[in-house]
Amino acid sequence: DTEVTQTPKHLVMGMTNKKSLKCEQHMGHRAMYWYKQKAKKPPELMFVYSYEKLSINESVPSRFSPECPNSSLLNLHLHALQPEDSALYLCASSRGDRLTDTQYFGPGTRLTVL
Amino acid sequence: GNSVTQMEGPVTLSEEAFLTINCTYTATGYPSLFWYVQYPGEGLQLLLKATKADDKGSNKGFEATYRKETTSFHLEKGSVQVSDSAVYFCALVAQGGSEKLVFGKGTKLTVNP
Repeated sequence: DTEVTQTPKHLVMGMTNKKSLKCEQHMGHRAMYWYKQKAKKPPELMFVYSYEKLSINESVPSRFSPECPNSSLLNLHLHALQPEDSALYLCASSRGDRLTDTQYFGPGTRLTVL
Repeated sequence: GNSVTQMEGPVTLSEEAFLTINCTYTATGYPSLFWYVQYPGEGLQLLLKATKADDKGSNKGFEATYRKETTSFHLEKGSVQVSDSAVYFCALVAQGGSEKLVFGKGTKLTVNP
């Protein structure tokens, strides 16, 4: 089983709202990732958690706040977003022994910021 | 730095045609190579992978061979179906350096009945 689940599937929020995206995997993977994907572009890495610790932050604005409560869960807290933050947000996980391990992606959350 | 170059799309084929999507890479060391597929409105799915030179990855009738001498990982399928219509991303992870997944720009494939 190589399933990564994400909720919600769609999210519409205003610029003053606070919302959270959720990602879950039960493959025993110890590395989890957040990516942002704009239309007709490849995914762009935002954050990497390795063994529940933030290991990579790709200079993402502070209005995006990741959290890894345990090895199976990854959240992305959103606050005071801008319309240009509208995108597909993808979560991924990998075994975690090395960053060169295969990454498995979830279906994504399509975010619209009004 | 590490990079992936894919053939520009879009690619439009008729059902049962032969598919090739070219992918070449630049990387330090010995990267692992991947093809991901993204169907309309969905996330990325791993299609196939290869982790060392001369390895052939295969899945669902798709194949790609890791060619170190030409730094290539071209995706092929002998007979495409309408259901193969999607965007295909070639990607690599290289040991050393940032070890991040590096994607090509993606190639959109449309298969007509």
